[in-house]
Amino acid sequence: GAVVSQHPSRVICKSGTSVKIECRSLDFQATTMFWYRQFPKQSLMLMATSNEGSKATYEQGVEKDKFLINHASLTLSTLTVTSAHPEDSSFYICSARPPGRGLADTQYFGPGTRLTVL
Amino acid sequence: SQELEQSPQSLIVQEGKNLTINCTSSKTLYGLYWYKQKYGEGLIFLMMLQKGGEEKSHEKITAKLDEKKQQSSLHITASQPSHAGIYLCGAKHYGGATNKLIFGTGTLLAVQP
Repeated sequence: GAVVSQHPSRVICKSGTSVKIECRSLDFQATTMFWYRQFPKQSLMLMATSNEGSKATYEQGVEKDKFLINHASLTLSTLTVTSAHPEDSSFYICSARPPGRGLADTQYFGPGTRLTVL
Repeated sequence: SQELEQSPQSLIVQEGKNLTINCTSSKTLYGLYWYKQKYGEGLIFLMMLQKGGEEKSHEKITAKLDEKKQQSSLHITASQPSHAGIYLCGAKHYGGATNKLIFGTGTLLAVQP
């Protein structure tokens, strides 16, 4: 159980275009999902917390107008990188947290999306 | 400054050897999570620790949380090539947002056959 998928796994786009990344919890409902960014040989940096039915909470320094997050259902959150530039190239990983407490506090991660902006 | 430090940053061991990875926090931990990541892939959840002195094992991997709840270790017994990857500790701190995970710097493990 606790499987999270991401789509696409890889995307290459031209500078100035927008890219949408989907994160789905396949076998549980996730009221909260998280979006992380990971640079080569570095750890994960939390970008934002996505709450179903409400606005996302962005971390300090993350531009909300550039990284649009929509959590329209209990199993789907999307991250749209608008007007992408080469510096946005990175590995984006989402995670989902099942409702409840205890082990349910655990975040389960998707396989990640490699974004390359030319 | 990094709230969560991991050591060593990288580790190369011979197959069959034991190894330990450490994760140290500057603050008391509410919960400590160990994940494994293959390069360019997502994170696989290994174990969660919450109580001081807690120890959990799964197959050949054992994780411990110290009594002060500021340090955790991950021990692999008789390492195999399948254990290779990046090990990340993630933590929730008291006083922090209950949902947020702060990640350590990661430990890259290579196991030589």
